[in-house]
Amino acid sequence: DAKTTQPPSMDCAEGRAANLPCNHSTISGNEYVYWYRQIHSQGPQYIIHGLKNNETNEMASLIITEDRKSSTLILPHATLRDTAVYYCIATNAGGTSYGKLTFGQGTILTVHP
Amino acid sequence: DAGVTQSPTHLIKTRGQQVTLRCSPKSGHDTVSWYQQALGQGPQFIFQYYEEEERQRGNFPDRFSGHQFPNYSSELNVNALLLGDSALYLCASSLTQGRVAGANVLTFGAGSRLTVL
Repeated sequence: DAKTTQPPSMDCAEGRAANLPCNHSTISGNEYVYWYRQIHSQGPQYIIHGLKNNETNEMASLIITEDRKSSTLILPHATLRDTAVYYCIATNAGGTSYGKLTFGQGTILTVHP
Repeated sequence: DAGVTQSPTHLIKTRGQQVTLRCSPKSGHDTVSWYQQALGQGPQFIFQYYEEEERQRGNFPDRFSGHQFPNYSSELNVNALLLGDSALYLCASSLTQGRVAGANVLTFGAGSRLTVL
């Protein structure tokens, strides 16, 4: 898996968009970008993933730069329940990487009232 | 539809003892992966079970072993416990057969918190 770099912490006001950056400058062509989050006292939760196109689901949007060296997870209207550690993971998702995620330190997102 | 269930939620052991943690995967999933999460760190991959066999393993000693049963549930066993084994142990399930290409989507349980004294 390619190494990812995330800021250790970020703050966001409730109701505003939270934009969480991730650098993955050594990502290879067959590696996807995955985002998981972990709310206190729970297991990680899958959010979204993408290869090179921008993706959106009911939880978030994922913007991947054209050179694929970085990405941004966007929570469009953050709520207090979005306070969590957010992990960005680059993995090829197949073969020996399937089910084997390499978690870094992640970004602690704190949403304030 | 129940997600991943793990038991026990909390347990305390002493050094040298053995522990067994249990995991029931999400309905329809056939693969179980185990992770160890030390306080303040991200989860670390221990091993993965599919078709009742260990398919791959992370950088953990042989004291860590596991099993998968025909109903896809799984156990994690740790022998000769060390203080450093104190952690949150996470079970994650996924689907291998028929999964979508590029999908590495795991469903995690809430974990079993092990304290070794």
